[in-house]
Amino acid sequence: GENVEHHPSTLSVQEGDSAVIKCTYSDSASNYFPWYKQELGKGPQLIIDIRSNVGEKKDQRIAVTLNKTAKHFSLHITETQPEDSAVYFCAAVWGMNRDDKIIFGKGTRLHILP
Amino acid sequence: EPEVTQTPSHQVTQMGQEVILRCVPISNHLYFYWYRQILGQKVEFLVSFYNNEISEKSEIFDDQFSVERPDGSNFTLKIRSTKLEDSAMYFCASSAPASGGYTFGSGTRLTVV
Repeated sequence: GENVEHHPSTLSVQEGDSAVIKCTYSDSASNYFPWYKQELGKGPQLIIDIRSNVGEKKDQRIAVTLNKTAKHFSLHITETQPEDSAVYFCAAVWGMNRDDKIIFGKGTRLHILP
Repeated sequence: EPEVTQTPSHQVTQMGQEVILRCVPISNHLYFYWYRQILGQKVEFLVSFYNNEISEKSEIFDDQFSVERPDGSNFTLKIRSTKLEDSAMYFCASSAPASGGYTFGSGTRLTVV
């Protein structure tokens, strides 16, 4: 069945360093890959997304790269700050319709160390 | 910035009781969803709703669950007879046809005792 895996499940980085979270997915039909940040007590917030026809996308300190052949995509956060501490969920969307469900991974807890 | 609003933020109910979780999606969005997150676990899809009908549902979404869009603004999730294992955070989300993302609400924490 559809599956999305996070690597690693927990990540600690020194403030100012970069953090990379990688996700693998199982279904090659996936064509949309959003990343969500979830802070304690809040709902998942979309931070960046990428479509299958693009290899990389950047938005200030955040970037996402996609390798369709290997079926993995990664979130890159540079110059990490304390407020980056949160759980990050990758997701994959199957199909071309906008009502297709999102399949989330289990999440990566990112700790930014002072 | 437009928000998805969920009420209540916390609901405590006795096992076997019915609960209704309410959501107000973003006004120009056409696709609506419910997800749940059991404490410490991943976010799981429950159901998607478009054009006044369910477009897809997961195995979790059994006969105890139903969704409704009773008017032009609200989107509700009803659990007919709650079980202890229904305790979770329930997130509503909405999306527009041409946009790239889904907007989530802050969630309703349901505690079944």
